[in-house]
Amino acid sequence: DVKVTQSSRYLVKRTGEKVFLECVQDMDHENMFWYRQDPGLGLRLIYFSYDVKMKEKGDIPEGYSVSREKKERFSLILESASTNQTSMYLCASSTLLPVTNTGELFFGEGSRLTVL
Amino acid sequence: TQLLEQSPQFLSIQEGENLTVYCNSSSVFSSLQWYRQEPGEGPVLLVTVVTGGEVKKLKRLTFQFGDARKDSSLHITAAQPGDTGLYLCAGVRSGGYQKVTFGTGTKLQVIP
Repeated sequence: DVKVTQSSRYLVKRTGEKVFLECVQDMDHENMFWYRQDPGLGLRLIYFSYDVKMKEKGDIPEGYSVSREKKERFSLILESASTNQTSMYLCASSTLLPVTNTGELFFGEGSRLTVL
Repeated sequence: TQLLEQSPQFLSIQEGENLTVYCNSSSVFSSLQWYRQEPGEGPVLLVTVVTGGEVKKLKRLTFQFGDARKDSSLHITAAQPGDTGLYLCAGVRSGGYQKVTFGTGTKLQVIP
């Protein structure tokens, strides 16, 4: 069974703390993504990676960084957490289908972060 | 900037009714996906449409991709309580890699 695992389901942090969100996939997928989900805004792409050590900014990268040292692991880092980063964070992975360059996104269960 | 707008944002209907959800953009996408998300879980893919004008059916769900590949619709016939969830469209832009942009979401509640 394919699986994307996020390290923490719930986190509570204080303003200014450094936060690490870890994501591991067991499907040998090339692509990995970090989204944040807020009511009425859908999922917004923070960063994505299409290969080890490669990363691309998504639509809302400010205040975030990422790391992909191994193919199966993609980490999201909040260097100095702020209250407006309180959200649900979703990790996903995919592999590209030939011709269409489209693949199914497989999601983890999400990490709900509260910044006080 | 939200590239994909979905309407309606919320929908509460009785079991057996029909409904349509719209996904609109000013951008062209190489393909478009629809996902459903249930509480406490990540979204799960329902369908991918690739060709402009394409129609795909998944039991009582009908998906259509606009001719210009800028918009899509999801029609549910005779809705069931099991259809309750958050429906998300996602536009795919590719250029050697896959970048997926999600819509704003439609929260559907089907009342028995």
